[in-house]
Amino acid sequence: DTGVSQDPRHKITKRGQNVTFRCDPISEHNRLYWYRQTLGQGPEFLTYFQNEAQLEKSRLLSDRFSAERPKGSFSTLEIQRTEQGDSAMYLCASSLGTGYNSPLHFGNGTRLTVT
Amino acid sequence: GESVGLHLPTLSVQEGDNSIINCAYSNSASDYFIWYKQESGKGPQFIIDIRSNMDKRQGQRVTVLLNKTVKHLSLQIAATQPGDSAVYFCAEKGNSSYKLIFGSGTRLLVRP
Repeated sequence: DTGVSQDPRHKITKRGQNVTFRCDPISEHNRLYWYRQTLGQGPEFLTYFQNEAQLEKSRLLSDRFSAERPKGSFSTLEIQRTEQGDSAMYLCASSLGTGYNSPLHFGNGTRLTVT
Repeated sequence: GESVGLHLPTLSVQEGDNSIINCAYSNSASDYFIWYKQESGKGPQFIIDIRSNMDKRQGQRVTVLLNKTVKHLSLQIAATQPGDSAVYFCAEKGNSSYKLIFGSGTRLLVRP
């Protein structure tokens, strides 16, 4: 399977702890996105990378959240001092293209539960 | 802010019938639209996309229709199968943006 890979699939943490998620995009995809999804809702955009450059961040991405894509391949999303409201599915997607219109291909997400 | 929404939260159809899932969008500047299918415990799966310079696009058993006049998008699934049961999302992208905005989804239930 050469799709988008996310690790871990599930994470349970206590409030106040830090967590880090990893995303491996489809090989050669230059664009990488992070989204957050809560139950019954559509995914919400968090941030976007083109190669290693983080080009856009949502207002949803508070200063407790940080994302990196150091070599333009895999990406990490870190949440510091987790809160119960951070409980959600964190989805990574990638796409290939030079223009604006190319479909995003999603991984199966990391489900975070903050207790 | 701009948003994408769906008319029906749940759609129940008989196996073998055609399904139509509707979506309204509010950003007239959106120029690219995608339908995704999401099964329980999985990420959204790309189904079909359409650019704003088109009004219809067909795939395998699926057709997307775009009516820019009334800002309406629909997904038609022919001969619906049990494996089509899932939540379907439409998503839009604004001009000169890389960000997809998703609606809240429609659950499709296929009755045997």
